[in-house]
Amino acid sequence: KQEVTQIPAALSVPEGENLVLNCSFTDSAIYNLQWFRQDPGKGLTSLLLIQSSQREQTSGRLNASLDKSSGRSTLYIAASQPGDSATYLCAPYTGFQKLVFGTGTRLLVSP
Amino acid sequence: GAVVSQHPSRVICKSGTSVKIECRSLDFQATTMFWYRQFPKQSLMLMATSNEGSKATYEQGVEKDKFLINHASLTLSTLTVTSAHPEDSSFYICSVLRDYNEQFFGPGTRLTVL
Repeated sequence: KQEVTQIPAALSVPEGENLVLNCSFTDSAIYNLQWFRQDPGKGLTSLLLIQSSQREQTSGRLNASLDKSSGRSTLYIAASQPGDSATYLCAPYTGFQKLVFGTGTRLLVSP
Repeated sequence: GAVVSQHPSRVICKSGTSVKIECRSLDFQATTMFWYRQFPKQSLMLMATSNEGSKATYEQGVEKDKFLINHASLTLSTLTVTSAHPEDSSFYICSVLRDYNEQFFGPGTRLTVL
C-alpha cells in the first residue's frame, strides 16, 4: 500500500525566503506525480504535474522534481510571498489513475 | 486545466436525511470522476471512482449503499449520502480526470449532520 509522507508538517517563514518542501512515497512504481495547494476550507488547486518520464517541472516561482527510484519529490518555492500561505499536498498516481495524498505541509509566509 | 463546480458548497441537515452533492465538469467531458472526503486536519481519502455510464468503483471500507454515486452524463456526477449521521460530517471533494493522468478538483462541499 502506497504511503506518502511530507516534511515538514508545518513551516513559518518571512516573506522573500526560498523554500523546499519534501515528499516521500514508499512504492516507487508510480505514474505521474501532482503537487497541489489547498487554502483553508477550499478545494485543491493543481500546481504542477510531473509525468513519469520527466524529472522536473517548472511554473513561475515553482519548481518540482521527481526521483522515482528513491521515492522522492521536492517542491521549490522561490521568493515566497504572503499569498503563498496554504497547505501544499503531494500526490503520486498509482495504478488505475488514482491519487494517494500525503498529509501536507502547512506554509505560513509572514510579511 | 479543467473547471469543476460543486453544489451545494455547504449543507446542514438533520440526522437520518439524505443529501445529494453535484459535481459538474464545466469545460470538458469527463469520462472519469473521483469522490474524496477530508476530515479536519487530515488529508484527502479516495471514496470512489465514477465512470460515465457504468457503476462506480468503491474503495475498501466505503459503503456503496450509503454513498450512492451516479455518473449519468459526461459533465455530471452526483454523490448521495443516504440516512446521514453526524459521523458523516466531512468535506466532500470531487475531481475530474483529464489527459496525461491529471486530476482537477472542485471547490468542495462542507456537510454538517446535526
